[in-house]
Amino acid sequence: QVQLVEFGGGVVQPGRSLRLSCAASGFTFSSYAMHWVRQAPGKGLEWVAVMSYDGSKKYYADSVKGRFTISRDDSKNTLFLQMNSLRPEDTAVYSCARVGGGRVRGGYDYWGQGTLVTVSS
Amino acid sequence: IVMTQSPATLSVSPGERATLSCRASQSVSSNLAWYQQKPGQAPRLLISDASTRATGIPYRFSGSGSGTEFTLTISSLQSEDSAVYYCQQYNNWPTWTFGQGTKVEIK
Repeated sequence: QVQLVEFGGGVVQPGRSLRLSCAASGFTFSSYAMHWVRQAPGKGLEWVAVMSYDGSKKYYADSVKGRFTISRDDSKNTLFLQMNSLRPEDTAVYSCARVGGGRVRGGYDYWGQGTLVTVSS
Repeated sequence: IVMTQSPATLSVSPGERATLSCRASQSVSSNLAWYQQKPGQAPRLLISDASTRATGIPYRFSGSGSGTEFTLTISSLQSEDSAVYYCQQYNNWPTWTFGQGTKVEIK
């Protein structure tokens, strides 16, 4: 069955870096665009970044542009999010998600449980 | 595109109908999804393309609308439907946006 499992969260000081991973299984990872979505404690959902199935296109929310980098390793069925220059407002649970049916546009039919990133001194 | 959901909180008795609204600041065609999120859980896809139920979603959940006005209806509320519901537009590639959520409580 489809599984998405995130790793790499933790407590980090403002200005420092962190790298998140999302391990995918149960589907042909290389055929899917993959997204990162975050949720601050007690708040709503915020789209963060997307990478196309072939890695040729990457897009970011304005709030993270220039600081975060999305990448993927299809040989390991893994999605990454490199987060630099972290700010307290980046504190959130970060989840990876895929669009159903391998479509470019659509709802997220599978999500990981997320990994908590806390940015605090 | 800004997505605005109303009401913020909805209190409904078991067996009654719940109607949730989502408005887009500009047309998103039918490129809209609805999610259900329970505490400590990942969101669950209910509806995509404004009105298509996702796999395994009960028939009591239905979506309607297009353009800027959308509705999620729970025809006969069950106790397990207590959750926060989010709409999301995916028309404005690649910047997809969510509404702020509607909390559904069982009266």
